[in-house]
Amino acid sequence: DAMVIQNPRYQVTQFGKPVTLSCSQTLNHNVMYWYQQKSSQAPKLLFHYYDKDFNNEADTPDNFQSRRPNTSFCFLDIRSPGLGDAAMYLCATSGTAGETQYFGPGTRLLVL
Amino acid sequence: SQQGEEDPQALSIQEGENATMNCSYKTSINNLQWYRQNSGRGLVHLILIRSNEREKHSGRLRVTLDTSKKSSSLLITASRAADTASYFCATEANFGNEKLTFGTGTRLTIIP
Repeated sequence: DAMVIQNPRYQVTQFGKPVTLSCSQTLNHNVMYWYQQKSSQAPKLLFHYYDKDFNNEADTPDNFQSRRPNTSFCFLDIRSPGLGDAAMYLCATSGTAGETQYFGPGTRLLVL
Repeated sequence: SQQGEEDPQALSIQEGENATMNCSYKTSINNLQWYRQNSGRGLVHLILIRSNEREKHSGRLRVTLDTSKKSSSLLITASRAADTASYFCATEANFGNEKLTFGTGTRLTIIP
């Protein structure tokens, strides 16, 4: 089945230790998004790729970076995680920007 | 902030009853979408309604859109325990910024 896969589902890291979250898709969609979602809040868009074009949200901290080496994969790098970065990180894809988004199950990040 | 607001923030009803959630937004839109999120999971797309549509149905779901009031409602008829989840509206602004803006969400609990 075509889907969006996120690994790992749970990630524990130490304060300041770099961490990478991964997302892959079999939908062959052009657009990939990374969201941060904290408890009982709406998903907050961090950035998105339209093909290889990277679009950063104005309020996304410099601590967060992303890579999209090919259509299928997208990575979220947190260079120096702080306690405030503990959250659920959601990856989503869309065939066309602004249309239906297909979400992965999320990676829950815990920072100790 | 362009974030939409949802009303109510939380709703508890008996199984079999109908549930209505409302969403208000701030900008002119191309489309409005509703998503469901079970606890600790990714979001699942439910329905998309375009700015030139006023009502749309999908199974037990009915969505209305009033662009003059910048508001939408989601009606779930004959609710089931499995409908317990958080529901988010999301809008695509009509100035083509390739992304969705999510509302604050409604936490729906169906009491068996």
